[in-house]
Amino acid sequence: EAGVAQSPRYKIIEKRQSVAFWCNPISGHATLYWYQQILGQGPKLLIQFQNNGVVDDSQLPKDRFSAERLKGVDSTLKIQPAKLEDSAVYLCASSPFNPPGPGAHEQFFGPGTRLTVL
Amino acid sequence: AQKVTQAQTEISVVEKEDVTLDCVYETRDTTYYLFWYKQPPSGELVFLIRRNSFDEQNEISGRYSWNFQKSTSSFNFTITASQVVDSAVYFCALLSGSARQLTFGSGTQLTVLP
Repeated sequence: EAGVAQSPRYKIIEKRQSVAFWCNPISGHATLYWYQQILGQGPKLLIQFQNNGVVDDSQLPKDRFSAERLKGVDSTLKIQPAKLEDSAVYLCASSPFNPPGPGAHEQFFGPGTRLTVL
Repeated sequence: AQKVTQAQTEISVVEKEDVTLDCVYETRDTTYYLFWYKQPPSGELVFLIRRNSFDEQNEISGRYSWNFQKSTSSFNFTITASQVVDSAVYFCALLSGSARQLTFGSGTQLTVLP
């Protein structure tokens, strides 16, 4: 079974530029997550999709970040314009279940995209 | 509010030593789930274990074991006879009944020296 795919793996941009990340979840997984992991910290949830609908985006900085999941499969996360503090690893994860509940579940993570904003 | 504390930022051991990674959690919910993930240098988070709040039975999987104690709100992880390949950052995480999101601790960097 193929895992969660993300691209690109690395991206270097200057502040105020725009950037987009792509995620392809495990086939059949209804729930998709985007996390931001700043160096030395644990991942922080940015947005959660259930199929192509947003379940939780309470920690997404909506003035500069946006995400979509068309057709309930692939997803893109965009930052426009980027700031220095956006330098982090952006992790995508997927799960076959919708938490919480008895089916709470493991999330399967992709390799991440390491973003450096100069 | 949900919170996970991993007080050990970095641990170094020599190969074959046993090592315990501590995790303390906070939640007001009676139903919750605890997780451990491993993050090797490649960056991908690897799922290790999930426990629910109603199952305090300790678990052993090969060289890995987990000690869940509700009385102290702890979910500690022990690696027996550590190996160099165990070197990674380990994260403890909490998913509680009222929250939809996984709350991670800040991680413990484990270095196993040959």
